[in-house]
Amino acid sequence: DAMVIQNPRYQVTQFGKPVTLSCSQTLNHNVMYWYQQKSSQAPKLLFHYYDKDFNNEADTPDNFQSRRPNTSFCFLDIRSPGLGDAAMYLCATSRGGATNEKLFFGSGTQLSVL
Amino acid sequence: DQQVKQNSPSLSVQEGRISILNCDYTNSMFDYFLWYKKYPAEGPTFLISISSIKDKNEDGRFTVFLNKSAKHLSLHIVPSQPGDSAVYFCAAPAVSGGYQKVTFGTGTKLQVIP
Repeated sequence: DAMVIQNPRYQVTQFGKPVTLSCSQTLNHNVMYWYQQKSSQAPKLLFHYYDKDFNNEADTPDNFQSRRPNTSFCFLDIRSPGLGDAAMYLCATSRGGATNEKLFFGSGTQLSVL
Repeated sequence: DQQVKQNSPSLSVQEGRISILNCDYTNSMFDYFLWYKKYPAEGPTFLISISSIKDKNEDGRFTVFLNKSAKHLSLHIVPSQPGDSAVYFCAAPAVSGGYQKVTFGTGTKLQVIP
């Protein structure tokens, strides 16, 4: 089945130690998104790629970076994780950027920062 | 500024009865709305959507109603089943700078009691 796959499901890192989360998709969708979701809060868009075009949300901290080496893969790099970065990170894809395009989500990576 | 609000964090309903989940929005520019369903340890999955040109959309046991004048939508599940127990997110996409930015509500956790 075509899908969005996130690895790992659970990631533990130390305060200040760089960490990379990965996402892959077999849907061949043009757009890939990274969302951060903290407990009992709405998913918050960090950034997205439309093909190779990168779009950063204005309030996304500089500590967060992303790479999309090809259509299938997208990475979230947290350069110096703080305790406040502990959250669920959700990768999503959509075929295009129209408002009626639904999002397809991975299962998420739960990040803990010690 | 929370443009999409789900004011009920949780809801408990008996199996076989109707579940009604509510969502309010503030941005009158929103013209399309989606509901996503999320099970624990899984990513959200698309459930049902509605365009602002309609006031109702039905898909099996799920119906979404839209009241544009009140900036309110609701998701009805009839009859409710234990497998419907999940967190439900209301979402409103908007196109900004050529890409789709989705604003999510904080979710309502539905528990269907057998």
